[in-house]
Amino acid sequence: RKEVEQDPGPFNVPEGATVAFNCTYSNSASQSFFWYRQDCRKEPKLLMSVYSSGNEDGRFTAQLNRASQYISLLIRDSKLSDSATYLCVVNSGYALNFGKGTSLLVTP
Amino acid sequence: GAGVSQTPSNKVTEKGKYVELRCDPISGHTALYWYRQSLGQGPEFLIYFQGTGAADDSGLPNDRFFAVRPEGSVSTLKIQRTERGDSAVYLCASSLSGGVADTQYFGPGTRLTVL
Repeated sequence: RKEVEQDPGPFNVPEGATVAFNCTYSNSASQSFFWYRQDCRKEPKLLMSVYSSGNEDGRFTAQLNRASQYISLLIRDSKLSDSATYLCVVNSGYALNFGKGTSLLVTP
Repeated sequence: GAGVSQTPSNKVTEKGKYVELRCDPISGHTALYWYRQSLGQGPEFLIYFQGTGAADDSGLPNDRFFAVRPEGSVSTLKIQRTERGDSAVYLCASSLSGGVADTQYFGPGTRLTVL
């Protein structure tokens, strides 16, 4: 079983829609949590860190539930430029453990 | 400032050959990581350097893979007797100190194709 599981999608949504991604992780000792964004044939880039208190960055909101070992990402008012793969990432020491990624396509 | 750079961007080789992939981290970053990303998968950890030493090489798939960072800056990933299954994108990342909450910054990757 992979340490980080997420629905691969694809999620096809119209511009302006709200979309939510979820992931679960298996290592209860995990210490830090992130969402990375990866565009086609590019490197992953940090989108945001995730905290138990929840955190928001513009149209993006991330939430961590340690009891359920569950991480979420909400994107409001989707833009065409949000089309990418979103990687759920967990760090238990220093190596990042990535999910397979969830593919998002925002259409006009 | 300059980000993480990797060379070459693409490498095509024949089965059985030896390859070297280079990573130049962000200046001042003591921690350096190598990951491998196969098609349709997330990156998978290979090895972590703190300074010149390999602090954890548990992700290296077998003894054909080796990495060095002799001066604590540039790192080279070396693959001997390449196999078709080694074909993937090899990503390098660096972070300031290797702390668990540190942001890891990725380079553009080297796309390795073994024919």
